[in-house]
Amino acid sequence: AQSVTQLGSHVSVSEGALVLLRCNYSSSVPPYLFWYVQYPNQGLQLLLKYTTGATLVKGINGFEAEFKKSETSFHLTKPSAHMSDAAEYFCAVSESWGDKIIFGKGTRLHILP
Amino acid sequence: KAGVTQTPRYLIKTRGQQVTLSCSPISGHRSVSWYQQTPGQGLQFLFEYFSETQRNKGNFPGRFSGRQFSNSRSEMNVSTLELGDSALYLCASSEGQGALHEQFFGPGTRLTVL
Repeated sequence: AQSVTQLGSHVSVSEGALVLLRCNYSSSVPPYLFWYVQYPNQGLQLLLKYTTGATLVKGINGFEAEFKKSETSFHLTKPSAHMSDAAEYFCAVSESWGDKIIFGKGTRLHILP
Repeated sequence: KAGVTQTPRYLIKTRGQQVTLSCSPISGHRSVSWYQQTPGQGLQFLFEYFSETQRNKGNFPGRFSGRQFSNSRSEMNVSTLELGDSALYLCASSEGQGALHEQFFGPGTRLTVL
């Protein structure tokens, strides 16, 4: 069964610094991978997704993620953090187009002024 | 278009009671998924409905059930509530079934079981 592990339940970065949120997955087949963001008191919003093709995926708000099959990873990055990026981020995986999406436990990103 | 709406937004129940949560998807969306969000476990998938049929199911006990109506609105029911059922219950709608269709989430229903 597929699963997702997010390293670090809390990550703090300074404003303007690189954001790196780590995600490793387990899947028996080539997976579909997702990153979602949840701002305080709001529902989740899709940041980006990988299905097939190019392994570097660009999303909204300047975020991108790279699918690395050999490392079973799908880390999320942003070159320069902004205060508005403070939120909880969820990595997710699915094994087929019709299958359910399995979420990680989330990483809360704190931005330091 | 209006977003996904969930009612009620907050709910307080006592152990042993049952509760029904409602989700209205975005107009035109035919799939509704339900998730339980807790601080310790993150988001856990409950079930997905598409065209009034349950298509996918997570690993929750039978006390958790759902249904979808012909207008795609969905309800989730939890019977014999336990303290551990306290959580934020999120509903997400999408145009079609499964992972390839972007899911749009509602703000959630915060359930507290005393």
